[in-house]
Formats: sequence, C-alpha cells, structure tokens
Amino acid sequence: QVTLKESGPVLVKPTETLTLTCTVSGFSLSSARMGVSWIRQPPGQALEWLAHIFSNDEKSYSTSLKSRLTISKDTSKSQVVLTMTNMDPVDTATYYCARIRGPYSDGWYYFDYWGQGTLVTVSS
Amino acid sequence: QTVVTQEPSFSVSPGGTVTFTCGLSSGSVSISYYPSWYHQTPGQAPRTLIYNTNTRSSGVPDRFSGSIFGNKAALTITGAQADDESDYYCVLYMGSGVSVFGGGTKLTVL
Repeated sequence: QVTLKESGPVLVKPTETLTLTCTVSGFSLSSARMGVSWIRQPPGQALEWLAHIFSNDEKSYSTSLKSRLTISKDTSKSQVVLTMTNMDPVDTATYYCARIRGPYSDGWYYFDYWGQGTLVTVSS
Repeated sequence: QTVVTQEPSFSVSPGGTVTFTCGLSSGSVSISYYPSWYHQTPGQAPRTLIYNTNTRSSGVPDRFSGSIFGNKAALTITGAQADDESDYYCVLYMGSGVSVFGGGTKLTVL
C-alpha cells in the first residue's frame, strides 16, 4: 500500500525558511520511473506545482519559485525534503506531496498517489 | 508565463453528461502536453483520474474519459452521480520538467 505523509511546522514567521518532509511507504525512492513532487494550495485557491525529484536524482522547480526552493531525498529514510526560503504570508497554504510516475519520453510524468497535506500558516 | 485555463464552474443533472476543458492562454493543447486530470472534494487530498490524455488511473470508473477536443484537453463524465460533485483540476506538462495546474472547475450535481 502506497502512502505519503507530510510533516513540518504549522506556523512560520515571515522571512523564515520552511522545511517540509514527505515520508513515503509502499515504494522505494530508488525505484525506476518514480519520484516525489510537492504541490501547494492556498486556502480556497487552486493547486500549484512546486518541485519534484526522481529516483535518478533529477530535479525540477516551478519557474516562479525556483530561487526559493530546494528539494532533496534520503532514500534510506524514505524521505523527501522541500525547503522554501524567505516565507511570506502569501505562502500560507496546504502543502501536499505526491508520488509521480516517470519520467517518460519527452520527460513527462503524472501524479498517482497523494498525501493528506499539511497546512502551513505564515504569520508574525 | 503560460496560464492553463479551465471553466470556473459547471453544473450537471444526475445521470447527465458533462465535459470540462483545459486550455492554454496562448496556443493549443495537444497530446504532447500529456494532460492529466485530478479531482478534489473539500478538505480532502486530490485524487488522480486520468493521465496521458486518456488513460484512467487504477480504480477509476469508465464513465470518466479524457480526450483532446479541438484545441483543448477535455474530461467527460457520463452518467454523473451525486458524489462526482467536486473540484476538477487539469495539469499540463510544459517540458523541461515543469507542470502547470489549471485553476480548477467546480462541478455541481443538481
């Protein structure tokens, strides 16, 4: 059974760095054509893709947030970590991690399993 | 920056058929964008419906289907049921590892 669980602070202050951890089970972060992505959703708004990392350590980031994001994985711990620097109240959102299948030809991939998400509030 | 467009809302009668679309602010959607579709009920995590334009995710009933309709990706629900009431999101693959979500379509079944 594939599961993903997000963990991290509930509240961060403006300008601080957010560190979120996605702990996976039911698959290995070293499995071919698999990876983990981070997606967020501000309250009442749409989903927004942030970043991903594949089993071969290939990484990609949202164009608009690239300068603030870093994604990494620890295969032995089955964990993927996302850091986002210089947090702002507009970054208040539920942050989801999801398993991705790929990359396939042309580099495409899709999300197949999702965590339940963790709400992060940015406020002083 | 390219924006992925979706209808903000739709309504359908129980048993009816509805088609949502997923377009681009500039240009046409083709299979080369590998469109995928997800649905989300309030307070819940998204769930995967369709990927690679028209491949149903495991366990998704065949009344959900994906296609390219004109210059957009499309999700069709036939025989709508009350528990289909949800937000529906499309995702387009833009290349170089980048995916973009649409703004979502809120479906009401009434």
